[in-house]
Amino acid sequence: SQQGEEDPQALSIQEGENATMNCSYKTSINNLQWYRQNSGRGLVHLILIRSNEREKHSGRLRVTLDTSKKSSSLLITASRAADTASYFCATGEALQGAQKLVFGQGTRLTINP
Amino acid sequence: DVKVTQSSRYLVKRTGEKVFLECVQDMDHENMFWYRQDPGLGLRLIYFSYDVKMKEKGDIPEGYSVSREKKERFSLILESASTNQTSMYLCASSLRAARSSYNSPLHFGNGTRLTVT
Repeated sequence: SQQGEEDPQALSIQEGENATMNCSYKTSINNLQWYRQNSGRGLVHLILIRSNEREKHSGRLRVTLDTSKKSSSLLITASRAADTASYFCATGEALQGAQKLVFGQGTRLTINP
Repeated sequence: DVKVTQSSRYLVKRTGEKVFLECVQDMDHENMFWYRQDPGLGLRLIYFSYDVKMKEKGDIPEGYSVSREKKERFSLILESASTNQTSMYLCASSLRAARSSYNSPLHFGNGTRLTVT
């Protein structure tokens, strides 16, 4: 089942600009995570925000969560060429003793030098 | 750093073959997952395991089975490979969270790109 949906599907900006990606989801969650995937590689965890948090920062990353709108955004400030990657949101469900994450389809971000 | 190792980066198999995809993690994680990734469909969960010898179906288990005989190893088995199983397969692991309201971050391997001809 697809839970998170990222918007836009693709984003191309100039180096130094800020990049904003959005994620919407359908059902109640206990937390939301953002991941990055470089071409042909596995996903790398970036940041986790719990359902009772509204904003979280990590370096040049800022994540917001609005549970009333069932949406989250990831902001990358002062973008660099190395930020070129696909970004995925994933929502957390707890079941069967394991914690299952459901991923969206991702936003492909291109940073132009 | 957690290391999740998938045995092959690229694999080419014929229709009808039995295919084994191996995944090993070195951080004593309880949870292990198999996802497949396809353009336009994102990541879809095939199977997961929260303990040795335990397995649970994900969203698309048909045509697949798994084995978890040791904590560090989680194998995905394609009983009879078909062309619609051509995909990128991603293995991941995570710690069992202390509370059910929390999801531990996943640590992914680099993926196995499987082509079934």
